[in-house]
Amino acid sequence: AQRVTQPEKLLSVFKGAPVELKCNYSYSGSPELFWYVQYSRQRLQLLLRHISRESIKGFTADLNKGETSFHLKKPFAQEEDSAMYYCALSGTGRRALTFGSGTRLQVQP
Amino acid sequence: NAGVMQNPRHLVRRRGQEARLRCSPVKGHSHVYWYRQLPEEGLKFMVYLQKENIIDESGMPKERFSAEFPKEGPSILRIQQVVRGDSAAYFCASSPPTARNTEAFFGQGTRLTVV
Repeated sequence: AQRVTQPEKLLSVFKGAPVELKCNYSYSGSPELFWYVQYSRQRLQLLLRHISRESIKGFTADLNKGETSFHLKKPFAQEEDSAMYYCALSGTGRRALTFGSGTRLQVQP
Repeated sequence: NAGVMQNPRHLVRRRGQEARLRCSPVKGHSHVYWYRQLPEEGLKFMVYLQKENIIDESGMPKERFSAEFPKEGPSILRIQQVVRGDSAAYFCASSPPTARNTEAFFGQGTRLTVV
C-alpha cells in the first residue's frame, strides 16, 4: 500500500523566512513524487515533480529514498506563497495519485 | 484551451436523490481521473478512465457510485441515493495519452452538499 504523510496542517512564517513543508511517504517500489499547490479560489496545479529536478517559484524538493521523504523548501518565503500545498505519489504502473492531507502555508508580512 | 471544466460547481441534493457530476477534460486528453476530498482531508483517488473504458476503479465505493467516459461528451460521475456522508468536493483531472505520470490537470471541483 502507498501512503503520503504531511504532518503539519498549518505552517505560519514571516516574509523572508525559510520554509520547509514536510512530506514522508511509504511505498515498496520506486515512486514518482509531486508537489501540488492550490492558491485561494484557484484550481489545484502542479508545482514540481522530483524527476524534473527543477526549481519553480524558488521552491525545490529533493527525494530522499533513505528517509522516504520529499520535503518542499524555499529559502525566502513571499506573501504570494500563501496557499495549500499537497504532496502526492504515483506508484509503478499506476497513473493515479495518492495525496497527503495537505499543509496550509501562511506567509505573514 | 479552457482547461478541465467541471459542472456544476455547487450541487445540493436531498438524501435519496441522484447526483450527476460532469467533467470535460482538456482538449486532446483521453485520460480522466476522479478524486474526492472530504473536509480536512487530502484528495482520495476514486477512478481512472480512458475513452469508453474504466482502467482503475480501486477507489470507488462498491455501491451507488459509477463513472463513465463516453466516446463523445464529458465524463460523468454518478452517485445514486445520496447520503450525508457523500458531501464532499469532487475533483476531476485529465492527462494526455503519453508516458505514465504525465502531469494531470485539475478542474475546480464540484462541491456536493447532501441535506
